Amino acid sequence: RKEVEQDPGPFNVPEGATVAFNCTYSNSASQSFFWYRQDCRKEPKLLMSVYSSGNEDGRFTAQLNRASQYISLLIRDSKLSDSATYLCVPNNAGNMLTFGGGTRLMVKP
Amino acid sequence: NAGVTQTPKFRILKIGQSMTLQCAQDMNHNYMYWYRQDPGMGLKLIYYSVGAGITDKGEVPNGYNVSRSTTEDFPLRLELAAPSQTSVYFCASSSLLGGEQFFGPGTRLTVL
Repeated sequence: RKEVEQDPGPFNVPEGATVAFNCTYSNSASQSFFWYRQDCRKEPKLLMSVYSSGNEDGRFTAQLNRASQYISLLIRDSKLSDSATYLCVPNNAGNMLTFGGGTRLMVKP
Repeated sequence: NAGVTQTPKFRILKIGQSMTLQCAQDMNHNYMYWYRQDPGMGLKLIYYSVGAGITDKGEVPNGYNVSRSTTEDFPLRLELAAPSQTSVYFCASSSLLGGEQFFGPGTRLTVL
C-alpha cells in the first residue's frame, strides 16, 4: 500500500473558488505532515507544516483527521497563481520523507 | 543565504557520455538528497547522504554515483548516459532526516 494517496487531478476551478484536496495516509504513526507546492518545471517548495489537528495560513487551511487517516488542504478565493501541484508528505518520526505524485490544480480566469 | 544551488540548469548529453551534476548548500545541513522527476511523475530518490563521507542508495540508484567529501557539496555522477536518464534532477537538503527539505532549482538533462 502506498504511503500516501492523492487524487492526481487536475482540479480545474475558476478564479475565486474554494477548492479542497484530500490526502490519505497508511502509517498511523505519522505525527506531522508537510504540504509542498510544485509549480510547473520548478522545484517543490514548502507551503505549510501541520503538527497538530491543523494549520491555517492566509487562504490556506490544512486539517488533519487522525481517526480516518487523512489530511486535507483547503484553498479559499483561488488565484491564478495557485495553479500548481500540491504534494502531501508525511513526517514519520525520523524517517526520510517520501514524495508522491501530488494533486494538480489549475485555476482558470 | 543562497540555499541549495545546482549547476548546470540544462544539459544535453549523447549516449555513453558522462557528466557530474553539482549541488551545494550553505545551510550547514547534514542531510542531502538527489531525486529525479520524470514528466508527470513524482520524485524518485536516487541517493542520499547523512553527513560528510556517508552516502546510501535510494529507490533508483542504478547508473549513478555520488560522493560527499564536504558538508556543503553533494555531486551526482552519471558514468554512461542512457536515454532512460533523461529527466529533471533535484538536489535537496535538510537539517533533520524527517525534516523539511529545501530543494535546488533542478537540472534538466536530456540524453540523445
